[in-house]
Amino acid sequence: GESVGLHLPTLSVQEGDNSIINCAYSNSASDYFIWYKQESGKGPQFIIDIRSNMDKRQGQRVTVLLNKTVKHLSLQIAATQPGDSAVYFCAENEERNSGGSNYKLTFGKGTLLTVNP
Amino acid sequence: NAGVTQTPKFQVLKTGQSMTLQCAQDMNHNSMYWYRQDPGMGLRLIYYSASEGTTDKGEVPNGYNVSRLNKREFSLRLESAAPSQTSVYFCASRGQGSEKLFFGSGTQLSVL
Repeated sequence: GESVGLHLPTLSVQEGDNSIINCAYSNSASDYFIWYKQESGKGPQFIIDIRSNMDKRQGQRVTVLLNKTVKHLSLQIAATQPGDSAVYFCAENEERNSGGSNYKLTFGKGTLLTVNP
Repeated sequence: NAGVTQTPKFQVLKTGQSMTLQCAQDMNHNSMYWYRQDPGMGLRLIYYSASEGTTDKGEVPNGYNVSRLNKREFSLRLESAAPSQTSVYFCASRGQGSEKLFFGSGTQLSVL
């Protein structure tokens, strides 16, 4: 099946800078996308999600942008802090039906974000 | 409200040994999932349970079995552990009508 991929495996930024983590997907049928943050030794933690009928969604210090034309997703983190250092995963749901067995969340391999003080 | 709880956090097995990884959620979620995470491979789905009483294979089910004991609990069993099953295992759950997964803190398993 199709899978989600990432442009860069690692990203290093200075504290206070903005971070942009990119994600490419190949399944045009995917209509839901989600970003997770995983700190060392912990499970993935939900950050933000977006449906395919939207181009942009904002949260606290985070923004997700979706470009369906080129099948590209990005996560922007404003004023990056040391606590943002983690692996970030994007994932896509390939099926619209979220009610049961048709649900299939496929994860990318992740990008390691390092924030330098 | 603890969310998704996994036990144990760490485990070392010898090849051929068996063990069960436990998972429980207190969010009244219908669906539960088991993933494994390997370096450079991302999260891969082993088995899932869309609702109490049902289980289905995911992407990498070989060598594993699962039991949906009740709505809260979903266990993963390795009948005869192999070194290729060395990994970090995550349990997750999802509520009805939602597409958001909630994850446990993981079990780090080493098979020697």
